[in-house]
Amino acid sequence: EAQLVESGGGLVQPGGSLRLSCEVSGFTFSNSWMTWVRQAPGKGLEWVANINQDGSQKNHVDSVKGRFIISRDNAKNSLYLQMNSLTVADTAVYYCAKGARYPDYWGQGTLVTVSS
Amino acid sequence: EIVMTQSPATLSVSPGERATLSCRASQSVSSNLVWYQQKPGQAPRLLIYGASTRATGIPARFSGSGSGTEFTLTISSLQSEDFAVYYCQQYNIWPPLTFGGGTKVEIK
Repeated sequence: EAQLVESGGGLVQPGGSLRLSCEVSGFTFSNSWMTWVRQAPGKGLEWVANINQDGSQKNHVDSVKGRFIISRDNAKNSLYLQMNSLTVADTAVYYCAKGARYPDYWGQGTLVTVSS
Repeated sequence: EIVMTQSPATLSVSPGERATLSCRASQSVSSNLVWYQQKPGQAPRLLIYGASTRATGIPARFSGSGSGTEFTLTISSLQSEDFAVYYCQQYNIWPPLTFGGGTKVEIK
């Protein structure tokens, strides 16, 4: 069974940086597109970024372009989200998920809180 | 960017009754639409893809229909475990993938 475990969330000041990680098991990571989706407290879902199997194709939502970078390490079965220049609006639970068009397996999420 | 609009925002239904949730796209997404269920404190769960195909392990009481810009998720007889928030999402034109704002199904 697919398992995805996010880590790296926490409290950060505006303008700061965080790197989220997602370690996966139970499926062939190197064959899978991967996605980050976030959910602000009490709000709906927002797609953040996705990446193809070998990392050669990356897509980011406009609101994070130039600040966030999605990446992966297939040797470590791990997905990453480097987040820079964080703002209060980036406060959310960040989920990693398997798939490109409609993620079918999701992690439990990691909370990122941006506050002074 | 395709905008997805769900209605109603909240649906009050008694256990055993039918629930009908709507999702509208700002332009045609063909049948490239999915539905997710999310319970408090949990990750979303894929219910329906391709507008009408149930994902693995999803009970037959969940059904999806529609194409183009109008879609419906129907829960034929609500069980206690079905009270949750439901999201639609299009994947016809991406990036970005876009979600609706959600419909909360609550106990009447």
